[in-house]
Amino acid sequence: QSALTQPASVSGSPGQSITISCTGTSSDVGAYNYVSWYQQHPGKAPKLIIYDVNNRPSGVSSRFSGSKSGNTASLTISGLQAEDEADYYCNSYTTSSGSYVFGSGTEVTVL
Amino acid sequence: EVQLVQSGAEVKRTGESLKISCKNSGNSFTHYWFGWVRQLPGRGLEWMGIIYAGTSETRYRPSFQGQVTISADKSISTAYLQWSSLKASDTAIYYCATAVPGTYYFDSWGQGTLVTVSS
Repeated sequence: QSALTQPASVSGSPGQSITISCTGTSSDVGAYNYVSWYQQHPGKAPKLIIYDVNNRPSGVSSRFSGSKSGNTASLTISGLQAEDEADYYCNSYTTSSGSYVFGSGTEVTVL
Repeated sequence: EVQLVQSGAEVKRTGESLKISCKNSGNSFTHYWFGWVRQLPGRGLEWMGIIYAGTSETRYRPSFQGQVTISADKSISTAYLQWSSLKASDTAIYYCATAVPGTYYFDSWGQGTLVTVSS
């Protein structure tokens, strides 16, 4: 059960949009619309920002959006802000043992 | 609202046993799945396993099966992660997180427990 594949790092200038990809298989990302995304600032616990591919929890900025096509999910951050600088992880439910799998993580840098 | 409070940092020797906890200070403990996530130093998040507090049904990521034990005590609204014989490679931060049955995401997280294992 390998980690989902994410780019190691993505960067952008304030105000720009960036997209982080999350590639899995037909046993996880491609099998269900149960992809979630988590933001983790240094030294802090992860925070849910997207669930079920494209839904935002209450209180999460509308600048965060999600999508999915086949075995690849994506997180887009629009209007990039300094506070968005963090690590981002995708997660998917998987047919393997009725469990979950995380992505490898992406470090977002605001230039 | 679920509030998860994890036990404090631990420093252990290789071969020792350890049990860390995750207490739900909100309500309806038995109505949640509790998951455990490992974060090795400077590395990403890894899914370890999950327990349904109502029935203690437990599922493990294959690579953690037999290496750790996940349990729950309904009487004190607490989930546990334990090791019978620690290795240096178990040094990491461990997070607990909850999901409501029928949902497939974790919207409440504990603050993390740092476990340091040395020889």
